[in-house]
Amino acid sequence: QLQLQESGPGLVKPSETLSLTCVVSGASISSTSHYWGWIRQPPGKGLEWLANVYHNGRTYYNPSLRSRLTLSADTSTNHFSLSLSSVTAADTAVYHCARVSLVPHVYFDQWGQGTLVTVSS
Amino acid sequence: SSELTQDPAVSVALGQTVKITCQGDILATSYASWYHLKPGQAPKVVIYGINNRPSGIPDRFSGSRSGGTASLTITAAQAEDEGDYYCNSRDSTGERWMFGGGTKLTVL
Repeated sequence: QLQLQESGPGLVKPSETLSLTCVVSGASISSTSHYWGWIRQPPGKGLEWLANVYHNGRTYYNPSLRSRLTLSADTSTNHFSLSLSSVTAADTAVYHCARVSLVPHVYFDQWGQGTLVTVSS
Repeated sequence: SSELTQDPAVSVALGQTVKITCQGDILATSYASWYHLKPGQAPKVVIYGINNRPSGIPDRFSGSRSGGTASLTITAAQAEDEGDYYCNSRDSTGERWMFGGGTKLTVL
């Protein structure tokens, strides 16, 4: 059974870098039929897609956050990671990792529970 | 428009039918998927590829598309269907994903 589990600090100071990891069990991130992605939801607001990564390192970023985002995948440990630099209070959100099915349709077929990250001094 | 627009809130009487819509130019050529969010739970896909249900999703959930509007219909809505519903699609390049603003469904 596929499971995705986010981990990272719950509190980050303004201007610092937020780093999150998604550990995948029950499936391999080396799959050629899937991307792996991150989505966030600020308190009281809607979902915002952040980025996706393919097993070969190919990445897709939300253009509005591209300059601050870095996504990577580690096939040896079966996890993928997100870094968001220069954070502000606006980056406070629940961050979800998810698997993206590519065949035969493209959609987020499995999500992690999410982890709340608060940006505050 | 490269964005996706949803009504903020919709209500339905228990056992009745409700339609939640998602509008965006890209939907005329790209498939939408739909996600159900409930507090404290991982989001769950309910419809993908216009009208495909993942295993475990009741058949009261269905999807459709007309031009630039994708719709999610819940027939005979149940109390457990309450929550937020988001549509999602990719842009024409296939490299940017986007979500609608979400629709809060209340089952009365």
